[in-house]
Amino acid sequence: QLQLQESGPGLVKPSETLPLTCTVSGFSINSDYYWGWVRQPPGKGLEYIGSVYHTGNTFYNPSLKSRVTISVDTSKNQVSLKLNSVTAADTAVYYCARQHVFTVYYFDYWGQGILVTASS
Amino acid sequence: SYELTQPPSVSVSPGQTASVTCSGDKLGNRYVCWYQQKPGQSPVLVLYQDVKRPSGIPERFSGSNSGNTATLTISGTQPMDEADYYCQAWDSSTVVFGGGTKLTVL
Repeated sequence: QLQLQESGPGLVKPSETLPLTCTVSGFSINSDYYWGWVRQPPGKGLEYIGSVYHTGNTFYNPSLKSRVTISVDTSKNQVSLKLNSVTAADTAVYYCARQHVFTVYYFDYWGQGILVTASS
Repeated sequence: SYELTQPPSVSVSPGQTASVTCSGDKLGNRYVCWYQQKPGQSPVLVLYQDVKRPSGIPERFSGSNSGNTATLTISGTQPMDEADYYCQAWDSSTVVFGGGTKLTVL
């Protein structure tokens, strides 16, 4: 049974870097899927952050691309997100999800999400 | 950048048919998927490739996509269907989400 679990700090200071990890269990990252990050500010809608393939190939939301790095560690079956120079606007629940990206594009498995607050 | 527009809210009576729309330029030329999200929970995929239902999604969920509008239809809406619904498409190598529609069943 595929499961995704986000982990990382629940509180990040403004201007610092937010690091998150998604651990995938029950399924190999070395497969024909991308692994993505989506966030949701409190009371607001979903926002795409980016995705990574096991080869390291990535897609990013253009509005966040300058501050985001998404990488993969196949030996640990993990995907990582780093968001630089955070502000209060980056306060959100961050989800990782498995993504189909060949011909059709959708997220079929989601983690439970992790709330990250950017505050001093 | 590409935009998807959804009505903020839709209301439906139990047992009736609910329609949630998603509009975008020539959206019918792209595949659309839909997610359901209940309070405090992660999104759940309910439709992909415009009309396909993942395993476990009830048959009352159906979809269409033509012209500039994709539609999620819920037939025989049940109280458990009350949730936020998001459409999603792919454009210029990035994911685009609609703003979400709150479906109220009353």
